[in-house]
Amino acid sequence: AQSVTQPDIHITVSEGASLELRCNYSYGATPYLFWYVQSPGQGLQLLLKYFSGDTLVQGIKGFEAEFKRSQSSFNLRKPSVHWSDAAEYFCAVAPPGGYNKLIFGAGTRLAVHP
Amino acid sequence: GAVVSQHPSRVICKSGTSVKIECRSLDFQATTMFWYRQFPKQSLMLMATSNEGSKATYEQGVEKDKFLINHASLTLSTLTVTSAHPEDSSFYICSARDFRGLIETQYFGPGTRLLVL
Repeated sequence: AQSVTQPDIHITVSEGASLELRCNYSYGATPYLFWYVQSPGQGLQLLLKYFSGDTLVQGIKGFEAEFKRSQSSFNLRKPSVHWSDAAEYFCAVAPPGGYNKLIFGAGTRLAVHP
Repeated sequence: GAVVSQHPSRVICKSGTSVKIECRSLDFQATTMFWYRQFPKQSLMLMATSNEGSKATYEQGVEKDKFLINHASLTLSTLTVTSAHPEDSSFYICSARDFRGLIETQYFGPGTRLLVL
């Protein structure tokens, strides 16, 4: 069955520290991969996406993610976290070729200490 | 990026009443929109796919007679929660597919928080 696993439910980092949020997927073929961010009471904003090509993807707000086929992973990284990055982060997959069904992970809540 | 709006942002209703939630794509036409439901501290679950001019496609386990979806125009989809009960209280989020660029993109609305008393 298709699934997305975000092993870390909650992560706390200090402002200025580096960040890595983990995402693993289970899918028959290499899916389209996404990271979204959700601020409290808000909808989702797309940070970045991977469809094909370069496995290191740059996104908005200084985020990047690396697709590793051998590990079925798509981890999100940021070299220096800002207090405004505190939010919920969702990894998602979709069938290759379209957005027909986005399957979301459970999310990782990021807290940032000053 | 494209903007998707939802109205209302928050609604409180009595048990047994119906509630309509609107989802609009403000600067692009969306032939396909999606409706998600999110419980507190949980992920988004796709409820249904809304296609302009045709019937919505519901995910397994979602009652189509309870969650009525209408996609009457290229910029508007509505979700009506009929005879709402407290267990329907949730955060409802819509999204819209944008085909204008080289690569399709999906934009999300800000969500509607429904509380059924």
